[in-house]
Amino acid sequence: DAGVIQSPRHEVTEMGQEVTLRCKPISGHDYLFWYRQTMMRGLELLIYFNNNVPIDDSGMPEDRFSAKMPNASFSTLKIQPSEPRDSAVYFCASSLSGSYSYEQYFGPGTRLTVT
Amino acid sequence: AQSVTQLGSHVSVSEGALVLLRCNYSSSVPPYLFWYVQYPNQGLQLLLKYTSAATLVKGINGFEAEFKKSETSFHLTKPSAHMSDAAEYFCAVSEGSGNTGKLIFGQGTTLQVKP
Repeated sequence: DAGVIQSPRHEVTEMGQEVTLRCKPISGHDYLFWYRQTMMRGLELLIYFNNNVPIDDSGMPEDRFSAKMPNASFSTLKIQPSEPRDSAVYFCASSLSGSYSYEQYFGPGTRLTVT
Repeated sequence: AQSVTQLGSHVSVSEGALVLLRCNYSSSVPPYLFWYVQYPNQGLQLLLKYTSAATLVKGINGFEAEFKKSETSFHLTKPSAHMSDAAEYFCAVSEGSGNTGKLIFGQGTTLQVKP
């Protein structure tokens, strides 16, 4: 398997622009997680899905952030409008409930810079 | 609720010396515990996991961790540090006894290996 795939790997945008980050989980995994990592706040869970349904979005910082999972093989995290403080590395991870140990597999991340 | 505390945000060792990264957890149910490693500009990679089998768990790259219920600890060790071990290490605990799929991560410990 190719692992968790994220695109783009790097994104530079101007304040106020819309940003869309994409994730393809490992085939067959039924959980998908979006994290944000910054020096100041460390690794933060933003939202996670089970069987394409959002389970917990309490980590989403504000209404400018939204996430969707239209099918089992694709998810997006959108920021509209973007702000400089959104600059971070965004990770997607997936896991399989049948594995019982809940280990998560991480993608390589998207480094977002908002100027 | 589950929580994880990693003692020491930065640890520095000499090449060939013992590596000890500390992790204490809080859980109201028997936990599943994990150590992840993050190399620069990469995603998190699973090092090892404890899932209620053997209390001494061996992982990749010569790392191991021991689950001590009485101390609520899951410290990560490696007998002899290598330069390539320089990275950030995260301890994590699964949330709850049900299959929520969610992991609670510690704040991370940066390991520096000096020549």
